[in-house]
Formats: sequence, structure tokens, C-alpha cells
Amino acid sequence: KQEVTQIPAALSVPEGENLVLNCSFTDSAIYNLQWFRQDPGKGLTSLLLIQSSQREQTSGRLNASLDKSSGRSTLYIAASQPGDSATYLCAVSYNTNAGKSTFGDGTTLTVKP
Amino acid sequence: DAGITQSPRHKVTETGTPVTLRCHQTENHRYMYWYRQDPGHGLRLIHYSYGVKDTDKGEVSDGYSVSRSKTEDFLLTLESATSSQTSVYFCAISNKAGGTVGNEQFFGPGTRLTVL
Repeated sequence: KQEVTQIPAALSVPEGENLVLNCSFTDSAIYNLQWFRQDPGKGLTSLLLIQSSQREQTSGRLNASLDKSSGRSTLYIAASQPGDSATYLCAVSYNTNAGKSTFGDGTTLTVKP
Repeated sequence: DAGITQSPRHKVTETGTPVTLRCHQTENHRYMYWYRQDPGHGLRLIHYSYGVKDTDKGEVSDGYSVSRSKTEDFLLTLESATSSQTSVYFCAISNKAGGTVGNEQFFGPGTRLTVL
């Protein structure tokens, strides 16, 4: 069974700090890895999609990397802001039937002013 | 933002009653999914659709059925609601098949369902 783990479960940092969120997966034969942001009581917002052939993707202050061989992805957030406070989830999709992505439980980030 | 709406956004119902949740998209995406999100279990796939009238089961499909008669609508039905189905339900869409390169999923705002 494919498993996705996100550590730590919660993280608190002061504003302006650079930080890294981790996502690890047990099966390295992935097709895509997607990072999401979820605000309390809201749906998931797609942040970045990394395809299996890519090593990283960037969007603004966000940079996601992928190392399939080690089964890891990281989400780097530069110059964190209080508005970045949210839960960040990663999801991994494999060569299976449509829709069978496996989600991590997320890391809840709090950025203190 | 992807054009995905869910209705109702909140619902309280009693055990044993049927409940239907609706997902509507304006993106003309082929693939649609229903997930439930619960503390300690994360997001789990209930059912998905890969086209009109084409659906299949996810990992937690027992007690749920789906229908897709039009590209834009995907309905989730709880035939006889139970307290264990109290959860937040999310619809998602994508324009490529899961397990293919470039499959990016976009989520709706969710429906909070409470079964008393």
C-alpha cells in the first residue's frame, strides 16, 4: 500500500523566516506530486504540480522539489508571512486507475507576526 | 480558480435518510472525484468518474453511490446516512487521467455533512 507521510504535523515560525515542509512516499514509481494549501473550513488550493520527469517547480515564493529515488519532496517557502498560515498537503499519484492519488495528512503552518 | 461549486455547503440530517450532494463544474474537465476528509484519516477517495456515465469505486465506497449524466455534474448519494458518514466532502476535477503525467486536481469548497 502506498503511503504518504508529512512531518512535522505542525510548525510555528516567526514572520520572515524561510522554511521547508517535507513529504515522503513509500513507492518511488510516481507520476505526479501535487502540493496543496488548505485554509480552515475551506477547500484545497493547488500550489504546485511536479511531474515525474521534473526535479522542481517554482511559483513566486514557493519552490517544490522532487527526489523520486529517495521518495521525498520538499516545499520551500521563502520569507514567510502571516498570510501563509494554513495546512499544506501533498498528494502523490501513481500508474493506477484514474483519481487514485494518495494524500498526506498535512503540515499545519503558523507564521507569527 | 477552477469553476467548481458544491451544494449544499452545509447539511444536517438524521440517520437512515438519503442524502445527495452535488458537484458542478464549468471547466469541461473529463475527470471528477469525490473525497471525504476526516481527522486522523486525511483525504480518502470515495468514487470517481472518467466520463459521462463512467464511474468507478475508490477506497471507501461502501454506503455511497454516484451518478454522472452530464459532463458538468457529479452527484454523490448516501443511500441511508449513518453517523460514520459525518464528514467534510470534497469534489475535485482534472483534465487528465490519474496516473498520467500532468494530472492536476482542482478542488471545490466542500460540503460539511452532519448525520445525527
